[in-house]
Amino acid sequence: QITLKESGPTLVKPTQTLTLTCTFSGFSLDTRDVGVGWIRQPPGKALEWLAMIYWDDQKRYRPSLESRLTVTKDISKNQVVLTMTNMDPVDTATYYCVHSTYDFVWGSYWDWFDYWGPGTLVFVSS
Amino acid sequence: EIMLTQSPGTLSLSPGERATLSCGASQIVRSNYLAWYQQKPGQAPRLLIYGGSIRATGVPGRISGSGSGTDFTLTISRLEPEDFAVYYCQQYGSSPYTFGQGTKLEIK
Repeated sequence: QITLKESGPTLVKPTQTLTLTCTFSGFSLDTRDVGVGWIRQPPGKALEWLAMIYWDDQKRYRPSLESRLTVTKDISKNQVVLTMTNMDPVDTATYYCVHSTYDFVWGSYWDWFDYWGPGTLVFVSS
Repeated sequence: EIMLTQSPGTLSLSPGERATLSCGASQIVRSNYLAWYQQKPGQAPRLLIYGGSIRATGVPGRISGSGSGTDFTLTISRLEPEDFAVYYCQQYGSSPYTFGQGTKLEIK
């Protein structure tokens, strides 16, 4: 059974760096056909994909946020960590950790998100 | 970046009725790499459909996906009380992945 859970601060100040941890079970990120990603949802708004990391340590970021995002994995802890620098009030959202299944075609990964964590709400305010 | 436009924004129907939700893409979605998710209040989204028409594990047969190119449809043949929620489409044939703005399916 695959489960994921996000953890991190509920409140960050503008300009600070957000660090979120996804702790998962039921799979390992050192086996093929596995990806873990991050998606966020501002209150009352739509979903926005942020980043992915794969079993082979390939990474993909949303281009408009790439300069602010870093995703890493710790195989021994079954964790994926997302950092986002220079936080702003517009970054207030529920942040979801997701497990992806993908097709590998045209030399890249193409993911759909089949398991989701419950999400963690992050407020950005001074 | 591919933009996805969902219509209608809100759909008011009664249990037992048929629901048709649309998702239009600003560019062709390669290989029908289009997914649908259901989200209930206070919950994370749930995968319903991927590959345009492939049901995810545990999704009932009354829910189906169709379409290709730039036009995709989610159909719920006979609405059950648990189907009333917000539905999102997502394309994953081009980076960055994008979601539609959602269709709220509410009880009439």
